[in-house]
Amino acid sequence: GAVVSQHPSWVICKSGTSVKIECRSLDFQATTMFWYRQFPKQSLMLMATSNEGSKATYEQGVEKDKFLINHASLTLSTLTVTSAHPEDSSFYICSASYGPLSNYGYTFGSGTRLTVV
Amino acid sequence: RKEVEQDPGPFNVPEGATVAFNCTYSNSASQSFFWYRQDCRKEPKLLMSVYSSGNEDGRFTAQLNRASQYISLLIRDSKLSDSATYLCVVKPSSGSARQLTFGSGTQLTVLP
Repeated sequence: GAVVSQHPSWVICKSGTSVKIECRSLDFQATTMFWYRQFPKQSLMLMATSNEGSKATYEQGVEKDKFLINHASLTLSTLTVTSAHPEDSSFYICSASYGPLSNYGYTFGSGTRLTVV
Repeated sequence: RKEVEQDPGPFNVPEGATVAFNCTYSNSASQSFFWYRQDCRKEPKLLMSVYSSGNEDGRFTAQLNRASQYISLLIRDSKLSDSATYLCVVKPSSGSARQLTFGSGTQLTVLP
């Protein structure tokens, strides 16, 4: 149980275009989803927390107008990288928490490798 | 100071060796602790939780020292398949957002 499906698994796009990444919770309702970015040889860095039906909370230094997050349903959250540039090339991973706040679990999508050329 | 600090390695060890990873965390109110494993270009996967009493899962032993804010992972009889990056992960105290804080990871390569 508690599976998150993320796609695409990899994408190559031209500089200036936008890319949408989707994460779906397959067998549970994900009220909270997290979006991470990971550069080579670095740790996962939290970009934003998205709650169903409300605006996402972005971490300091993450441009909310560049990284658009939509969490319109309990099973789907999307991250759109707008006007992508080569420095946005990275590994993007979504994650969802499930269960009660006192003892919640955590599951990851399989990640999206974005290359902007 | 980073919230979760790990020795980045890399650790290169021969098959069969015993290797230990260390991790420190800065928030004394942290609630729970985990070791995750991340293979290259893949998502992190939970290896094991870490309890104050110490816990073991096969060749893997995890220890937590709350007084020193220190977590460790011991791998005995290393296998080639153990090669990965090991992430120390901390869950904040209850009542805060449902998020995890990741260390930067320790890279392990087990050599034949």
